[in-house]
Amino acid sequence: KQEVTQIPAALSVPEGENLVLNCSFTDSAIYNLQWFRQDPGKGLTSLLLIQSSQREQTSGRLNASLDKSSGRSTLYIAASQPGDSATYLCAPRVRAYKYIFGTGTRLKVLA
Amino acid sequence: SQTIHQWPATLVQPVGSPLSLECTVEGTSNPNLYWYRQAAGRGLQLLFYSIGIDQISSEVPQNLSASRPQDRQFILSSKKLLLSDSGFYLCAWSNAQGVAGTEAFFGQGTRLTVV
Repeated sequence: KQEVTQIPAALSVPEGENLVLNCSFTDSAIYNLQWFRQDPGKGLTSLLLIQSSQREQTSGRLNASLDKSSGRSTLYIAASQPGDSATYLCAPRVRAYKYIFGTGTRLKVLA
Repeated sequence: SQTIHQWPATLVQPVGSPLSLECTVEGTSNPNLYWYRQAAGRGLQLLFYSIGIDQISSEVPQNLSASRPQDRQFILSSKKLLLSDSGFYLCAWSNAQGVAGTEAFFGQGTRLTVV
């Protein structure tokens, strides 16, 4: 059974810092891995999708890496801004139709 | 482009009352559809997924059911709500099974409070 752990559970940083959010999963047999952002009381917004054959993916100030064999993914946020404050979720796709979610990292960026 | 609609946004229902949450997807055909629940302080739990009309699988035993009467419509229902059904319900879609590399997209969610 796939289990997903995200560390840290919560993070509070001053504006401008570069951040590292970690995601680990127990079963390396994944199709891909997706990072999401969730604002309070809202749905999930897709940030990045990394295919199982890829090592990393970039979008603007976000960069996600994937080490499938060791069951780890990392989301890097460069030059953090208060608007980045949200909960960040990772979700490996374990079957063609199934995603398993971690409990998220709650990020607060202080102005 | 594809969009996903989910309603209502907020719902307060008494214990024992029925439930119907609706989700529709536009701009794609034969999507995989999902219902997730997010309980307070917990991660997202997959409740149901569907790979086609009237093809629905349940991931966990519960007081809820799902139906897919049309290709891009997914409905979450209950005949009698329990207090434990309270939570944030999210509908999602992805491209059909076999297209393994595609993204999942989520609706804005329904906050259900059972009182």
